[in-house]
Amino acid sequence: EAGVAQSPRYKIIEKRQSVAFWCNPISGHATLYWYQQILGQGPKLLIQFQNNGVVDDSQLPKDRFSAERLKGVDSTLKIQPAKLEDSAVYLCASSHLQGASLNEQFFGPGTRLTVL
Amino acid sequence: AQSVAQPEDQVNVAEGNPLTVKCTYSVSGNPYLFWYVQYPNRGLQFLLKYITGDNLVKGSYGFEAEFNKSQTSFHLKKPSALVSDSALYFCAVRDPTGTASKLTFGTGTRLQVTL
Repeated sequence: EAGVAQSPRYKIIEKRQSVAFWCNPISGHATLYWYQQILGQGPKLLIQFQNNGVVDDSQLPKDRFSAERLKGVDSTLKIQPAKLEDSAVYLCASSHLQGASLNEQFFGPGTRLTVL
Repeated sequence: AQSVAQPEDQVNVAEGNPLTVKCTYSVSGNPYLFWYVQYPNRGLQFLLKYITGDNLVKGSYGFEAEFNKSQTSFHLKKPSALVSDSALYFCAVRDPTGTASKLTFGTGTRLQVTL
């Protein structure tokens, strides 16, 4: 079973620039998550999709961050414009179902973003 | 609000010795608890979870965790550590009452196993 794919693996940009990350979840996984992991901290959920609908985006800084999952498969996370404090690893994860199913989440390798 | 605390930034243990990585939680109602491991330059990997039932949960790679409701703890354990166990370990809690399956992670504990 292929894992969660993410690209790029690394990205360096200057502040105020824009950046986009791509995620391809495990085939058949309806739920997709984007996490932000700042150095020395645990992952923090940014947004959760169920198919192509948003379930939870309460911690997404909507003034600069956006995400979409138009066809219910791949997803893109965008930052525009980036700030220094956005430097982090952005993790994508997927799972079979949300709620009572309690299946574990499968994580991709992450995209390490450095904002200069 | 749900939260998880991992009181140790790093745990050092000699290979062959037992290891314990500590985790305490705070959540309304009965918790769903998870342990994940992160190797360098790789994503998080699921180790084990507690939902209900037996307080001792067995997971991947010989790890196990003990749920203690009175102490609100979910410590990760392994009887005999390996050098290859050296990694970053995260405890996480999930709100069982909401419609979303949001995980809240601790800050992580780095496990260093030496020869």
